[in-house]
Amino acid sequence: SQQGEEDPQALSIQEGENATMNCSYKTSINNLQWYRQNSGRGLVHLILIRSNEREKHSGRLRVTLDTSKKSSSLLITASRAADTASYFCVPNSGNTPLVFGKGTRLSVIA
Amino acid sequence: DAGVIQSPRHEVTEMGQEVTLRCKPISGHNSLFWYRQTMMRGLELLIYFNNNVPIDDSGMPEDRFSAKMPNASFSTLKIQPSEPRDSAVYFCASSSDTVVGYTFGSGTRLTVV
Repeated sequence: SQQGEEDPQALSIQEGENATMNCSYKTSINNLQWYRQNSGRGLVHLILIRSNEREKHSGRLRVTLDTSKKSSSLLITASRAADTASYFCVPNSGNTPLVFGKGTRLSVIA
Repeated sequence: DAGVIQSPRHEVTEMGQEVTLRCKPISGHNSLFWYRQTMMRGLELLIYFNNNVPIDDSGMPEDRFSAKMPNASFSTLKIQPSEPRDSAVYFCASSSDTVVGYTFGSGTRLTVV
């Protein structure tokens, strides 16, 4: 198993702005997953992008994957106060448990 | 489905006492994971089961920690004896081969005083 490294560690934006979080990993993957954790709650699966995909959308979320650079990004458009949370990227190489990094702490200020 | 159910939500216990955390995975999920989260160490995988069988317990910090999964709908994580450094939020998650991603419970916040 490998963990992703999220960047930045913390991000603070105004409501309505877009938030971009980046992720890097070290070895080849089958897919990469993004999770959100609101304060005091369990993690919630947001989106999965497979290694043969370059971009994926889900509502206000847009995820990109560049396997040549071993990197991914998560864009949240038109952010809301409710988007305030920690976001984790998890590279997945196959039948091994997911390992979580430290995440990006996003604060959306109303 | 009610999701992954953990109990209790909060537990405060004295050092040296036995603590048992409980988890009910989503019906039909065949993998179950126990994680521990602290500010210092982040989210750590403790142990995981596949089809009720423990596959990897290398993340269990000490022999004071043990986990069981007697059937597909129930798992326990036991700490005996508990120590203040065990204070953390303990999460249970489940998954299956046909479902994308893990589903996490709401966690048990353990405080050992």
